[in-house]
Amino acid sequence: NAGVTQTPKFRVLKTGQSMTLLCAQDMNHEYMYWYRQDPGMGLRLIHYSVGEGTTAKGEVPDGYNVSRLKKQNFLLGLESAAPSQTSVYFCASSYTLGLNTEAFFGQGTRLTVV
Amino acid sequence: QQQVKQSPQSLIVQKGGISIINCAYENTAFDYFPWYQQFPGKGPALLIAIRPDVSEKKEGRFTISFNKSAKQFSLHIMDSQPGDSATYFCAASKGGGSYIPTFGRGTSLIVHP
Repeated sequence: NAGVTQTPKFRVLKTGQSMTLLCAQDMNHEYMYWYRQDPGMGLRLIHYSVGEGTTAKGEVPDGYNVSRLKKQNFLLGLESAAPSQTSVYFCASSYTLGLNTEAFFGQGTRLTVV
Repeated sequence: QQQVKQSPQSLIVQKGGISIINCAYENTAFDYFPWYQQFPGKGPALLIAIRPDVSEKKEGRFTISFNKSAKQFSLHIMDSQPGDSATYFCAASKGGGSYIPTFGRGTSLIVHP
């Protein structure tokens, strides 16, 4: 049971380059999220999706775009990377119902922008 | 505006001691309060969670204490072990069909042998 899988695990980008982070889940979850984790800042929500074809902005959406073309996949794009986007990125997914609200996280992608 | 405030930022405990991490929230609509545990190089994973209809929940050495009137909840780790060394995040969310967890900033716990 793979759960939530993120690709790639590590990446170094030059300022101005673009890239896409892929998140795939095999639990048939409706909700998917992208977080960034920085020292002392905890987990900050970038964008999220409440179902296939839908996306919404989170707490820190600037500089990122997302797409949810298939229910199992949630893509995070950086169009023009900046050093401030150096971070560890986590994808997560969860059920919709309120009684079962555990969020399942991927292993993370460590991105360095130089 | 930070909706969930967590303290301390770091905590060092001796093996066998009690680790206590505190969180305070602002939104009285929150009705689900989980704690996540994250080991280095891994993603966070749900450790234990509580709903506001109870004041305490215990799972093994881990206990959540919840004070609805004070809008505070805390994680107690009894008989702390070196294997408990990790980063702990509290979170809060609203139920009713949606779950957008709001996380605290995390506590780095080190348990010395």
